[in-house]
This record gives sequence, structure tokens and C-alpha cells, in this order.
Amino acid sequence: ETGVTQTPRHLVMGMTNKKSLKCEQHLGHNAMYWYKQSAKKPLELMFVYSLEERVENNSVPSRFSPECPNSSHLFLHLHTLQPEDSALYLCASSQAYKRPGQGIYGYTFGSGTRLTVV
Amino acid sequence: DQQVKQNSPSLSVQEGRISILNCDYTNSMFDYFLWYKKYPAEGPTFLISISSIKDKNEDGRFTVFLNKSAKHLSLHIVPSQPGDSAVYFCAASAEDFNKFYFGSGTKLNVKP
Repeated sequence: ETGVTQTPRHLVMGMTNKKSLKCEQHLGHNAMYWYKQSAKKPLELMFVYSLEERVENNSVPSRFSPECPNSSHLFLHLHTLQPEDSALYLCASSQAYKRPGQGIYGYTFGSGTRLTVV
Repeated sequence: DQQVKQNSPSLSVQEGRISILNCDYTNSMFDYFLWYKKYPAEGPTFLISISSIKDKNEDGRFTVFLNKSAKHLSLHIVPSQPGDSAVYFCAASAEDFNKFYFGSGTKLNVKP
């Protein structure tokens, strides 16, 4: 399997639940990203992992907790979310320390997880 | 503070005509720009890029124009096809940023 795969595709959770989103890339990239896409808003960068080390966290609430056990896998652990956290969560990968997008395709995105918090 | 803006949330164009999607940015450090296309239930896919050393890049029916002084870029699709109906995001980056800033997207509808 190639590309960036995200599971699950859809998730409905209550505010007291704990769930995890999973992302897997088979492109040999060494940087992975979590983005949030809310309706009519720009894609918001949440976390960046480069060489399995978190290099950026854009002041995301602590109810979102990322984990990157290796360069191919990325998780987003969710707990005590709010209804306003309902959105499409996109994972992306790229080759770090080489300009993302340089030469070919920039980020490669997964299909996203559509999260609904009830 | 939104550094990349797409002020038109939607655009409707007749098949065969030109589609022009616009994007403005505020950070003068940005020197690399991408356009992504997104269909429903799929992740964004790369479409075309341009670096600040150029003012135009063409790939088939798609052309991106960059006006650095105006901090503006545009994507032209000629001729537009119904299969081009999607949401188009522009994104900008600067050397060493290792990340992209995205606009909010423009939904293009190409009518047969």
C-alpha cells in the first residue's frame, strides 16, 4: 500500500470518550503533520513531527495529544473533546530538511478523519 | 492572524471557459507557493507550484501566476471541465519554515 492512510474515516464520540486517530505513510518521508480543517476556515496546523521528534505545536489544547512512535506512524489521541472540535483531521507527510514541495508534490495528505463530537 | 487568504469561498464557471482562483498573502518572507485540489471525502492533492523566482508556471490546463509586489497569486484553469469541480487551496511557505500556511479554500463548480 502506498501513500498516506488514515483510520478511521469517520468517528463519532462523546465528550467523555477517549479515542485515537491513526496515520500511516509508506512514502519514506521523515516528517508528519496533523492539520485540522473546520468549515470555511484555513487548514490549521496542529503538530509537526520531524525525524520522530515533535518540532512544533501550535498552542493546541492539551485534550489533543500526538504520538509518533516511528517515522511511518502518527497518532492523535483525543480525550474530553468539545463539540467545537468537530472537524476533518488531516494527516500529511513530507521530506523534512528539504523544502516541502521542492521538486515534486509538497505534502502528501491522507483522506482525513471526519470527527463529530456529541 | 490569517497569513494566506482566499476571499472567494465559491466560484461557478461554465464548462470550456476560464476559471480564475485568487489567493493573497501577507508575509513577505513567503517564497514558495502551492495549489492543492480537494474532492469530497478525499485528502488534498498537489496540483501546481511556483517559487518566487518565477512569475508564471504552467502545467497543461493549469497556470499559476505570482505577483510578488501585490502579494497575490492566481490559478487559471483553461478550459474548465466538470471534473475540475472541487475545493482549491493555496498554500505558502518560506525557506526553513518546513511547513505551509493554507488559505480557507475556494469551491469551484464547473457547470456542463
